Amino acid sequence: DIVMTQSPDSLAVSLGERATINCKSSQSVLYSSNNKNYLAWYQQKPGQPPKLLIYWASTRESGVPDRFSGSGSGTDFTLTISSLQAEDVAVYYCQQYYSTHLFTFGPGTKVDIK
Amino acid sequence: EVQLLESGGGLVQPGGSLRLSCAASGFTFSSYAMSWVRQAPGKGLEWVSAISGSGGSTYYADSVKGRFTISRDNSKNTLYLQMNSLRAEDTAVYYCAKAAEWIQLWCYFDYWGQGTLVTVSS
Repeated sequence: DIVMTQSPDSLAVSLGERATINCKSSQSVLYSSNNKNYLAWYQQKPGQPPKLLIYWASTRESGVPDRFSGSGSGTDFTLTISSLQAEDVAVYYCQQYYSTHLFTFGPGTKVDIK
Repeated sequence: EVQLLESGGGLVQPGGSLRLSCAASGFTFSSYAMSWVRQAPGKGLEWVSAISGSGGSTYYADSVKGRFTISRDNSKNTLYLQMNSLRAEDTAVYYCAKAAEWIQLWCYFDYWGQGTLVTVSS
């Protein structure tokens, strides 16, 4: 099974500053035949369901502010919030969908305001 | 507008059963795979089960295999999760989630319901 890890567990960033979250998969989620990374990022605010932010590792979902960006390939990925806003306080999860028998999520990274 | 509305959660004793439902609207339900994802109190997300658009293919996490059954009624635009032999560790908010891409089962989720809480306790 593909195991997803995230770092840090939590971080506090000043308003307007950059937040960087890392996600690592135990095996590559890059499918060689289409050169796509099967990796998504979700944002979950308290009391709400997760919201899709990024898919194919770097494609922003429609309506997601462009301060959110995803990068990486293979086993190492990053979600960057370029200028943190108050409404970005949330827990962020990465998810692999490369496996054809189960989905796995990272443990989550909590982002707060410093 | 896509909407997913879960129901059926509640308090159940260990060893008991419960059936969750997810009523879908705003898209061609039969053309999209669906999943159940759960979240224990204060914990992260755990995928539970997935089903293809036709209902012909189903998949389960090891933690629920043999106890839970996913199904769908495309004529009613409704997804189900039958949960038997429930354990305390099954206590969680259960979300239904829609696969983002037409026909594809192993795909990211573009819409989630609000969730329904299942509590397993004596």
